[in-house]
Amino acid sequence: GAVVSQHPSRVICKSGTSVKIECRSLDFQATTMFWYRQFPKQSLMLMATSNEGSKATYEQGVEKDKFLINHASLTLSTLTVTSAHPEDSSFYICSAFDFRSSYNEQFFGPGTRLTVL
Amino acid sequence: GESVGLHLPTLSVQEGDNSIINCAYSNSASDYFIWYKQESGKGPQFIIDIRSNMDKRQGQRVTVLLNKTVKHLSLQIAATQPGDSAVYFCAENKAGNMLTFGGGTRLMVKP
Repeated sequence: GAVVSQHPSRVICKSGTSVKIECRSLDFQATTMFWYRQFPKQSLMLMATSNEGSKATYEQGVEKDKFLINHASLTLSTLTVTSAHPEDSSFYICSAFDFRSSYNEQFFGPGTRLTVL
Repeated sequence: GESVGLHLPTLSVQEGDNSIINCAYSNSASDYFIWYKQESGKGPQFIIDIRSNMDKRQGQRVTVLLNKTVKHLSLQIAATQPGDSAVYFCAENKAGNMLTFGGGTRLMVKP
């Protein structure tokens, strides 16, 4: 089956610093990757849609200058949380869309736990 | 189960019993629905999906039922095992392959 990885799995940073999270599709090409944020005991909330070679599309209420997304290749998308604050602490999950799938299935990464001190 | 804000509804079942987890979706135009299982500290794991032209689909120990009239989705797990303990989310595919997730239900299996 299709595998998506994320790096790092956990990161702790100081307030005001920037953190980069990588999402990779390991055995398929992903024209589209999605970034989600999940707070404790809550559901996944879509932050942005990342298309290879073009600008990301952000959901309402998500600051594009704070959450920088780059999808430079068909197997890699990165999310950079800039000037991180404690309220950005969350579980960040990416998913990748496999265009070969007739059911449009998304494959999810294992998530990245971000803690901002 | 329906979302009740910050507190996930919990379904507690005895090992070996059948579990039924419910979900109400919002958009009558959604044409694809998926159930995911999420264990603590991990990403969602695909369980089963169903297209809107079907009302039932079966997998291994799992069945998904879709009632488009009342916009209701359910996941049935047969002979529930301790390894089934997790949070279960339904998701609907609206447009552009974007998923909207339901609030989630925590399944606890008692040995």
